[in-house]
Amino acid sequence: DAGVTQSPTHLIKTRGQQVTLRCSPKSGHDTVSWYQQALGQGPQFIFQYYEEEERQRGNFPDRFSGHQFPNYSSELNVNALLLGDSALYLCASSRWRGRTGELFFGEGSRLTVL
Amino acid sequence: AQTVTQSQPEMSVQEAETVTLSCTYDTSESDYYLFWYKQPPSRQMILVIRQEAYKQQNATENRFSVNFQKAAKSFSLKISDSQLGDAAMYFCASSSGNTPLVFGKGTRLSVIA
Repeated sequence: DAGVTQSPTHLIKTRGQQVTLRCSPKSGHDTVSWYQQALGQGPQFIFQYYEEEERQRGNFPDRFSGHQFPNYSSELNVNALLLGDSALYLCASSRWRGRTGELFFGEGSRLTVL
Repeated sequence: AQTVTQSQPEMSVQEAETVTLSCTYDTSESDYYLFWYKQPPSRQMILVIRQEAYKQQNATENRFSVNFQKAAKSFSLKISDSQLGDAAMYFCASSSGNTPLVFGKGTRLSVIA
């Protein structure tokens, strides 16, 4: 049973560029959440997708956008990258009607903005 | 709004000994859930233990147990018989059910052989 998979594992971009991160949820899961984890900090919620719609959003600017596909996989897009966007981006999957807070995380995508 | 505070940036424990990680939280919700997540050096976060606020009994999962003090808004994690594989970042988190997880800043646990 494959867990949550994310790609790419690492990437380096320059300021002003755009990036797309991808996530495949755990088998049987229909909900995907994205978190940003800056160095030395806890994860911060970006947004959550269910039934291909953004259901909740954290305090992140519109430069952060996402998408969920019919197969439940998801993308996170960040436009006009800033140095402060350097972080580990975590994808977490769950069941919409599953146990509260029981998230399964991927290993993350480490983004470095130069 | 919910907040989670972990006041211990780093902790260490001897192998086979017991260690307690501290967490305090604040929420205006009456129905909420509390969690401890573990993030090993491989970076994949794993749920360690989950507590429903309406339950007075402290949750336990094998060597892991919590001390849930609702009035004090305290939620500490006790790890018994510590093992080398317990070395990781530990994050305390809360959710009110229909809100996303709010995490603390984490505690880095080292296990000394």
